[in-house]
Parts: sequence; structure tokens; C-alpha cells
Amino acid sequence: EDQVTQSPEALRLQEGESSSLNCSYTVSGLRGLFWYRQDPGKGPEFLFTLYSAGEEKEKERLKATLTKKESFLHITAPKPEDSATYLCAVQGNTGANSKLTFGKGITLSVRP
Amino acid sequence: DSGVTQTPKHLITATGQRVTLRCSPRSGDLSVYWYQQSLDQGLQFLIQYYNGEERAKGNILERFSAQQFPDLHSELNLSSLELGDSALYFCASSGSTGITNYGYTFGSGTRLTVV
Repeated sequence: EDQVTQSPEALRLQEGESSSLNCSYTVSGLRGLFWYRQDPGKGPEFLFTLYSAGEEKEKERLKATLTKKESFLHITAPKPEDSATYLCAVQGNTGANSKLTFGKGITLSVRP
Repeated sequence: DSGVTQTPKHLITATGQRVTLRCSPRSGDLSVYWYQQSLDQGLQFLIQYYNGEERAKGNILERFSAQQFPDLHSELNLSSLELGDSALYFCASSGSTGITNYGYTFGSGTRLTVV
């Protein structure tokens, strides 16, 4: 069974203080690893897809990286508007279905 | 607007009752997924439909059922509701049963409160 563990559960940063969010996973054949952002009371919003170890993707202040066991979401010089819950999910190579298995998320608060 | 529409946005009902949550997928998407999100469990996969047929089941209770209609909209039926069923229920859609570059597109959810 696919598993995703995210740490820490919550992170409080000062504006401009860079940090990284961790996602550890076990999956039988990785098809893709996904990062989503979720604001309170809203649905998750897609950020990145990573397919193989060594791959990196960037978007504004966010950069996602992937190894064979972990993914990191690096946040450079965060702003208060980056405050949200960040979700990591994996899609395994387990047959015809394409369900994503999610971690519990990391709640990021950025103070001005 | 993600293109995935869920109704209603909020639902308050009593224990023992039955409710129906509705989802219209993004135009052109054939797959619909239902997820339950609670504070302590995170997003839990319930069930997937593809073009009207059930494709995968997760940790869905026997009291819960779903279907996808010919126009591709989907309904999640929750019966004999218990206090523990209170949660956010999300619908998501994708264009195929295989991997997609964007994973799923999520709706804004239905917040169910059982009192």
C-alpha cells in the first residue's frame, strides 16, 4: 500500500525566512509525485508534478525536488500570502486506477 | 473556478439521516474521484468512477455509495449518518485513468456537519 508522510505538521516562518517541507513516500513503482496547495475551506490547487529522482520544478518562490524516497518543497523568502497547507501525493504503478495517495499536509504560516 | 462544481457547499443534518452530494467534473474529464478530508486523517480516497463505471475503491464505508451518470456528473450518497462522518468531501476529476501531468482538478468541496 502506498504511503506518504509529511513533516513537520506545522511550520511558522518570518517573512523572508527560507525553509523546506519534507515528504517521504513508499510506493510500488512511482508514476508521479504531486504537490498541492490548499487554502482554508477550499479544494487543493495543483503546484507541481515530479516523475523521477533528480527532477526539479520551480514556480515563483517554490522549488520542488525529488529523490527515490523523498520530495522537498523549498520556499525561498516566503511572503504572508504563501501561508497555506501544502499537500504531497503519490500515484503508484498499481494497475488501471489512478488514485492519488495524500499525506496529511503541512500547515505553513508566514508572519509579516 | 477550477471547473469542477460541487453542491451543496454546506450541509447540516442529523444523525441517522441520508444526504446526497453532487459533483460535475471539468468539461471533457471522464474520471471522477471522491475524497473525505477530516482534521486528523487528511485526504482519504473513497471511490473512483471512469466513464460511468466504478474503477477503484478506497476506505469507503458500506453506508456510503456513489454513482456516475451518463452525463458524467457523479453523486455520493451517505446514509445512516454518524457524528464521525462530519468532514469535508471533495470531488476531483481527471481526463483519463492513467497518469496526468496535473494529477486531479479538485472542486471546492462540501462541508458536511452531522449533529
